[in-house]
Amino acid sequence: KQEVTQIPAALSVPEGENLVLNCSFTDSAIYNLQWFRQDPGKGLTSLLLIQSSQREQTSGRLNASLDKSSGRSTLYIAASQPGDSATYLCAVRPGNTPLVFGKGTRLSVIA
Amino acid sequence: DARVTQTPRHKVTEMGQEVTMRCQPILGHNTVFWYRQTMMQGLELLAYFRNRAPLDDSGMPKDRFSAEMPDATLATLKIQPSEPRDSAVYFCASGFGQGSYNEQFFGPGTRLTVL
Repeated sequence: KQEVTQIPAALSVPEGENLVLNCSFTDSAIYNLQWFRQDPGKGLTSLLLIQSSQREQTSGRLNASLDKSSGRSTLYIAASQPGDSATYLCAVRPGNTPLVFGKGTRLSVIA
Repeated sequence: DARVTQTPRHKVTEMGQEVTMRCQPILGHNTVFWYRQTMMQGLELLAYFRNRAPLDDSGMPKDRFSAEMPDATLATLKIQPSEPRDSAVYFCASGFGQGSYNEQFFGPGTRLTVL
């Protein structure tokens, strides 16, 4: 059974720092991996989708990498801003089936 | 601006009452998912549909939960009777396709409180 783990559970950094969020999954046979952002009391916003054949995806200050063989993905946020404060969720798609989610990393960027 | 919509956004009800949550997927999407989010369990899949047919509802307590898609523009999740442990945020998500390029888009959620 696929399991997704995100470490750390919470992270607090000063504004301007570059930071890395980690995601690991137990079964490397995945179709894709998706990173989401969730603001308090809100739904999930898709940030980046990496197909199993890809190594990374970039969107603005965000860069997500995927190492399928080792079961790991990282989300890199450059020059963090207070507006980046949110919970970041990683989810993998184990085949033609729904996503399996991690429990998220709660990020606080302090001005 | 295409987005998934959910109603109601908030619902407070008493134990034993019936609760119906509705979702309108993005037009043209053929896959609809229902998730439940709690602090303890995180996001859990309850059920999902492809082309309106239920594919998996093993995450739902069958005795009290039911999910349907009366048509391609409406998905419903019903709880009868509701219990305090059902208190959570319920999300609907939609996507298109069957292969690996199926990205999911989430609605804003329905926050359910059962007293």
